[in-house]
Amino acid sequence: GAVVSQHPSRVICKSGTSVKIECRSLDFQATTMFWYRQFPKQSLMLMATSNEGSKATYEQGVEKDKFLINHASLTLSTLTVTSAHPEDSSFYICSAHDRSGNTIYFGEGSWLTVV
Amino acid sequence: AQSVTQLGSHVSVSEGALVLLRCNYSSSVPPYLFWYVQYPNQGLQLLLKYTSAATLVKGINGFEAEFKKSETSFHLTKPSAHMSDAAEYFCAVGSYNFNKFYFGSGTKLNVKP
Repeated sequence: GAVVSQHPSRVICKSGTSVKIECRSLDFQATTMFWYRQFPKQSLMLMATSNEGSKATYEQGVEKDKFLINHASLTLSTLTVTSAHPEDSSFYICSAHDRSGNTIYFGEGSWLTVV
Repeated sequence: AQSVTQLGSHVSVSEGALVLLRCNYSSSVPPYLFWYVQYPNQGLQLLLKYTSAATLVKGINGFEAEFKKSETSFHLTKPSAHMSDAAEYFCAVGSYNFNKFYFGSGTKLNVKP
C-alpha cells in the first residue's frame, strides 16, 4: 500500500541551529501534505497544510518564519525548524493526501530534541 | 469548519469484551472521517475511513465504524478486545478537498487480561 517516509526519525540539535525534516510519499503523488506536532500524551496539532507549488497555509498561532515548509515536488515536503529552542522539542509527524484513494497516510514521525 | 470530539480520554476493557470508542464530529459539509491507531513512540496507522460510500466501514484488525449523520457520530467498535489492541486511537475529520485535516484529542485504550 501507500507509504509515507519521514526522515530523520530522531534528531538532536543545539539551541539556535536549524533542523530539516523530510516527508516523502513513496508510491503516490501528494499535492497536499500536512505537518503536525504532538506533545507527550496529547493529540496531534495541525501546524500547516502544504500544497505543492504554493505557499503553505499555517494554523493560527504557528510562526511561519520559524517553521518553514517547502513542498517543491509532488512527493516531497520539508519542515525546517529555524533557530530551534528547547521548547521546540517535540514529535513532528507529516501526512500526505493520496487523491486516488481519498486517504491520508502518515509518516513514522520525527523526534526533535533541542539541547 | 470541521472539528472532532472524542469522549473519554481513557477506556479500559477486559480481554474479549466489546470495544467502543466514541467520536462525534461537526462539519458544515459532508466530511471524510478516519480512525487511526498510534502505538507508543510510533506514527499513525490507518484503521478505517468513511468517504461517503457505505455507512458501515470495516477496517483492519477487526475494527469497524458506522457513520451516523443524524447523530454526527463515527464510533469505533470491535466485538472482542485483544491485548494487542492496547494503544491510542484518534478520530479525524477531513474536508471534501482535504485542505484541512483535524484530529480529536485521542482515546487511550487499555485491555485488561
